[in-house]
Amino acid sequence: AQSVTQPDIHITVSEGASLELRCNYSYGATPYLFWYVQSPGQGLQLLLKYFSGDTLVQGIKGFEAEFKRSQSSFNLRKPSVHWSDAAEYFCAVGQYNFNKFYFGSGTKLNVKP
Amino acid sequence: DAGVIQSPRHEVTEMGQEVTLRCKPISGHNSLFWYRQTMMRGLELLIYFNNNVPIDDSGMPEDRFSAKMPNASFSTLKIQPSEPRDSAVYFCASRGTQGAQYFGPGTRLTVT
Repeated sequence: AQSVTQPDIHITVSEGASLELRCNYSYGATPYLFWYVQSPGQGLQLLLKYFSGDTLVQGIKGFEAEFKRSQSSFNLRKPSVHWSDAAEYFCAVGQYNFNKFYFGSGTKLNVKP
Repeated sequence: DAGVIQSPRHEVTEMGQEVTLRCKPISGHNSLFWYRQTMMRGLELLIYFNNNVPIDDSGMPEDRFSAKMPNASFSTLKIQPSEPRDSAVYFCASRGTQGAQYFGPGTRLTVT
């Protein structure tokens, strides 16, 4: 069965510090992977996506993610966090035809000044 | 591009009333998804359409929920009659050929 696990419910980092949000997936075929960010009261905004090719993908707002097939992981990283990055982050895996997405339960990021 | 448009943004209604949520997908996108988000259950897929045809409605919680997509630029999600446990944020998303889903701002529904 397909599933996505985000093991960290809440994370707090200091502004300027580096960030890594973890995502592990279970999927029987080649996964199509996504990260979304949701600010309070807003919809989900696509940060980045991985379909194939280079396993390190760049996204918007200075985020990147690395696909590691051997670890079934797709962790999100940012070298220096800004206060405006405080939000909830969702990892998702899509079916090969992109019809169904399986979302993780989300990680809430708090940024300390 | 205007993105996915949802209306209303907020809806407060009394139990037993009919509620209709509306969605306009991104022009050119041929798939549309309805999600519900709550604190307890997270993000749940309710139903999705491909080329205006409902493909999978297994996530629709009860017969009180129905969704239509009469054309490529409009979809509705209706709850009749509404109940307090339907209170949630309802998102519409659309997808084109590039694979990613793009979400609207959501409708916050409160049923009293």
